Amino acid sequence: KQEVTQIPAALSVPEGENLVLNCSFTDSAIYNLQWFRQDPGKGLTSLLLIQSSQREQTSGRLNASLDKSSGRSTLYIAASQPGDSATYLCAVPYYGNNRLAFGKGNQVVVIP
Amino acid sequence: DAGVIQSPRHEVTEMGQEVTLRCKPISGHDYLFWYRQTMMRGLELLIYFNNNVPIDDSGMPEDRFSAKMPNASFSTLKIQPSEPRDSAVYFCASSPRVSEAFFGQGTRLTVV
Repeated sequence: KQEVTQIPAALSVPEGENLVLNCSFTDSAIYNLQWFRQDPGKGLTSLLLIQSSQREQTSGRLNASLDKSSGRSTLYIAASQPGDSATYLCAVPYYGNNRLAFGKGNQVVVIP
Repeated sequence: DAGVIQSPRHEVTEMGQEVTLRCKPISGHDYLFWYRQTMMRGLELLIYFNNNVPIDDSGMPEDRFSAKMPNASFSTLKIQPSEPRDSAVYFCASSPRVSEAFFGQGTRLTVV
């Protein structure tokens, strides 16, 4: 069974600092890895999807890296802004890629 | 496309009552997923459909839960009878591929 862990569970940073969020998974035979953002009371919005053949994926201030062999992914958010305050979840497929396993998320607060 | 549409957004009901949650997936997506999110357990997959056919319902907690997808544009998740421990946010998601997910805004269910 695929298990996904996200550390730290919660963090606060001052505006302008870079954010580093970590995700680890137990089964490295994954098809892809996805990072989501969830705002309070809202659904999940997909931020980045990294295919298993890729090492990283970038979108604006966001950069996600993937190291399949070690079962890790990192989401970097450069020059954080108060609008980045949210919970960030990573998800990987399991059971032969038929289902997504989610971490419990990194809850981020960016202090103005 | 308006994205995945769920209704209602909030539902408060008394223990023992029947609850029906509704979902309209994104047009053209072959996969539909029902998730439940709680603070304790995070996001859990309850059931998913492929081309309107239930593929995996192993996440459905009890026989009190049932899900249907009568056509490609509509799905329901029913709880009968509801219990206080069913209180959670229920998400519907759809996708063109099984290893991705596009989420609705969720239904916050409170059973009193």
